[in-house]
Amino acid sequence: AAGVIQSPRHLIKEKRETATLKCYPIPRHDTVYWYQQGPGQDPQFLISFYEKMQSDKGSIPDRFSAQQFSDYHSELNMSSLELGDSALYFCASSDRTSGSTDTQYFGPGTRLTVL
Amino acid sequence: GQQLNQSPQSMFIQEGEDVSMNCTSSSIFNTWLWYKQDPGEGPVLLIALYKAGELTSNGRLTAQFGITRKDSFLNISASIPSDVGIYFCAGPLLNAGGTSYGKLTFGQGTILTVHP
Repeated sequence: AAGVIQSPRHLIKEKRETATLKCYPIPRHDTVYWYQQGPGQDPQFLISFYEKMQSDKGSIPDRFSAQQFSDYHSELNMSSLELGDSALYFCASSDRTSGSTDTQYFGPGTRLTVL
Repeated sequence: GQQLNQSPQSMFIQEGEDVSMNCTSSSIFNTWLWYKQDPGEGPVLLIALYKAGELTSNGRLTAQFGITRKDSFLNISASIPSDVGIYFCAGPLLNAGGTSYGKLTFGQGTILTVHP
């Protein structure tokens, strides 16, 4: 079965640079979630989109923005990167239309390292 | 603060042993999810529970949704080396209307080590 695809898998950036992470949800899934996971931590919710509209927002820095496109893929844009942004970033998708909005399937993640 | 309390934090067991871990919360949940995560990889959904009292199995894994809707446990029977990893419980917080926001809150994770 098709899974959530994320790219790139690894990304190395310098402080103050920008980064764009991409997420392709499972086909026919209409909801996308972004999470950040620091070393030894559990994933923390950043932001979510349903049908291309932002549906919820968590502890996402103002330096970050995201959107969902007409093909349901999503991009997380991160600017003015800081050392503390180094983490694993996960995208998850779910099918809200079928009523299974709570059942989220995660992608393999993007490991962002800020030097 | 942490909405879900997961225990134990770590377990060291021998291959073939059974494992049990649980999550509790002061809040009620409509859904409990159990994930396994390997280092550097994404969480993989193991079991999803949708009704209080529900008992669901997936191979050697069994999970239950507590009847109070504030707890869940995961059991792994006859552990094997590939069971090594971090296990997370997770659930979507409910708003004042009792419906889900969708975003997941996670337990702290249980690190499982299996000795051959």
